[in-house]
Amino acid sequence: AQKITQTQPGMFVQEKEAVTLDCTYDTSDQSYGLFWYKQPSSGEMIFLIYQGSYDEQNATEGRYSLNFQKARKSANLVISASQLGDSAMYFCAMREGRGYSTLTFGKGTMLLVSP
Amino acid sequence: DTEVTQTPKHLVMGMTNKKSLKCEQHMGHRAMYWYKQKAKKPPELMFVYSYEKLSINESVPSRFSPECPNSSLLNLHLHALQPEDSALYLCASSRGGLAGLSYNEQFFGPGTRLTVL
Repeated sequence: AQKITQTQPGMFVQEKEAVTLDCTYDTSDQSYGLFWYKQPSSGEMIFLIYQGSYDEQNATEGRYSLNFQKARKSANLVISASQLGDSAMYFCAMREGRGYSTLTFGKGTMLLVSP
Repeated sequence: DTEVTQTPKHLVMGMTNKKSLKCEQHMGHRAMYWYKQKAKKPPELMFVYSYEKLSINESVPSRFSPECPNSSLLNLHLHALQPEDSALYLCASSRGGLAGLSYNEQFFGPGTRLTVL
C-alpha cells in the first residue's frame, strides 16, 4: 500500500485564486511529520511547510497553510492567492517515527497557474 | 548560509567514463542524502550519511559509490553507468543526524542533471 497518496496528477487554477492540493497518508506510528515541497522546472526541491503529528494547530507559512485532519489521515496544502510563480510540481512527504529523517514522497501534483 | 550547492549542474558521460558529483552544505547539518529522480516521478532515496558514516544504502548498484570526506561535503562517484541511470540527482541535508530532532526538514540542492550516452 502506498504510504503517501496524492490523487491529483494535475491541477489548474487562475491567478489570485486559492487552490487545495490533496495528500493522504498511511502510518501506524504515533509520531510522524508531514512535509510539502515545491519543485519548479529548474529541479530544486523547495521546502514549503511542515506539520508534526502532535501539533494541534494547522501549520501556516505565508500564503501556504496545511489543512491537517489527523483522523482522516490527510494533510492537504492550501495555497491562497495563487501567483504565476506557483506553477510547479508539489510533493507531499512523510517522515515516520521519532527522529528518523528519511522521507517517503507521494507521486506529486503538477500545478499550473494561469493569468 | 541556508544553501546546499551541487556541481556540476549538467553532466553528460559515456558508459565507460568515471565522473563524480559534488554536494556541499555549510549549515552544520549532520545528515546528508543522495536521491535519484526520473522525469515526472518523486525522488528516490539512494544513500544517507549520518555523522559522516554511511547509514542507509537503498540497494543501489555498485556503479554508484558515495563518499563523505567531511561533515560539509558529499560526493557521488560514478563508473560504468547505464543509459537508464540518466536522471536528476539531488543532494539534501538535515540537522541532527539521522536519529536527531523530530522536526528535521531536509534542505535540497538544485540537482545535477545526468545524461548517460
